[in-house]
Amino acid sequence: DAGITQSPRHKVTETGTPVTLRCHQTENHRYMYWYRQDPGHGLRLIHYSYGVKDTDKGEVSDGYSVSRSKTEDFLLTLESATSSQTSVYFCAIKGTGGYNEQFFGPGTRLTVL
Amino acid sequence: GENVEQHPSTLSVQEGDSAVIKCTYSDSASNYFPWYKQELGKRPQLIIDIRSNVGEKKDQRIAVTLNKTAKHFSLHITETQPEDSAVYFCAASKANYGGSQGNLIFGKGTKLSVKP
Repeated sequence: DAGITQSPRHKVTETGTPVTLRCHQTENHRYMYWYRQDPGHGLRLIHYSYGVKDTDKGEVSDGYSVSRSKTEDFLLTLESATSSQTSVYFCAIKGTGGYNEQFFGPGTRLTVL
Repeated sequence: GENVEQHPSTLSVQEGDSAVIKCTYSDSASNYFPWYKQELGKRPQLIIDIRSNVGEKKDQRIAVTLNKTAKHFSLHITETQPEDSAVYFCAASKANYGGSQGNLIFGKGTKLSVKP
């Protein structure tokens, strides 16, 4: 499982509340990613990080922010959750094989009521 | 930017038959093509990948082929078993590019059902 954990694993929240999801890795990988997965859309990249304090936007970044203050943790924040952000969120790391092989965390199921 | 199309969206086969899932990509500079298997309620897992300097790669019952000229690649599963039932995703990236250009772009997935 490439030493990746996500917390919480499940969360139900109300529209308008802030939510932070955490991704933690134990193997000192430089690149980390946040994806969302929705039926019919596959996996879509939200934000990614290429080092401590180095982050960039992905395909669907509106309404999300990220932070990476240390190598092992990559946080995804929904400043004011909306029902359209109900999804399964996966964190991933880039492996060390020299290409863009990525390994995923177990996922967080977020429901925004 | 890169666009990855995946077909079919659903596939049903009898146990023991072969299954083929096809993906096309738009950016001729893409050079890395992984396939992921996702069982219900689980994380996507990398099952096989191919790089642009190789035309085919096999690992037991699964194989991937790449046609760079036509810009398509395929996953082949032989002698399918019920445990092969899952959603399969293809992806493409320009692995030696920096920044966002090097990111993985995923197809929308194929739900494979293997009937006993």
